[in-house]
Amino acid sequence: GQQLNQSPQSMFIQEGEDVSMNCTSSSIFNTWLWYKQDPGEGPVLLIALYKAGELTSNGRLTAQFGITRKDSFLNISASIPSDVGIYFCAGTTSGTYKYIFGTGTRLKVLA
Amino acid sequence: EAQVTQNPRYLITVTGKKLTVTCSQNMNHEYMSWYRQDPGLGLRQIYYSMNVEVTDKGDVPEGYKVSRKEKRNFPLILESPSPNQTSLYFCASSSGGTSASRNEQFFGPGTRLTVL
Repeated sequence: GQQLNQSPQSMFIQEGEDVSMNCTSSSIFNTWLWYKQDPGEGPVLLIALYKAGELTSNGRLTAQFGITRKDSFLNISASIPSDVGIYFCAGTTSGTYKYIFGTGTRLKVLA
Repeated sequence: EAQVTQNPRYLITVTGKKLTVTCSQNMNHEYMSWYRQDPGLGLRQIYYSMNVEVTDKGDVPEGYKVSRKEKRNFPLILESPSPNQTSLYFCASSSGGTSASRNEQFFGPGTRLTVL
């Protein structure tokens, strides 16, 4: 089945650093979603993007919907220990109820 | 409390022994979906349901069945489990419809299944 390429696969950063991750697809999506999964739990939605070029923030998180509609980016500023987890991107197209998820970026924050 | 619940949370079974993983939501959501999570592969959608009695295949439906007889419940059935179905399974729900909120899926806590 189709999957999104997400990079990097994992990151080790120092507390206080900024983080960037991205997601690319061979298909066009008209909705991009970013989720975070804490250890032992289900994913939780962080940000939803609905328009090409859109830039949306949620606290220290900022995500962008790529102009080509085939990519999306997530930035975390001033990371803190509770940012640890796996971050997933997901895409979908209007008129369908299918969601394609990325392979995840595992983030570890060193205090 | 608004939530999605799954049972069981952990299950070890043997090849060929039919099993059902239950999923229930208390948010009156129309849309429900099942995913499996495997290392290096992220989440992959198995089946989804837009409403009662309306279901459709996701990306990896082979070896699974679902039913949606009531709005709140969406069980996942493995008629003859095989070792390659060993995985972490998540149920999710959202309000559905055509508004943007349909994309805001709430996930259950997961069911870790091992098939020997």
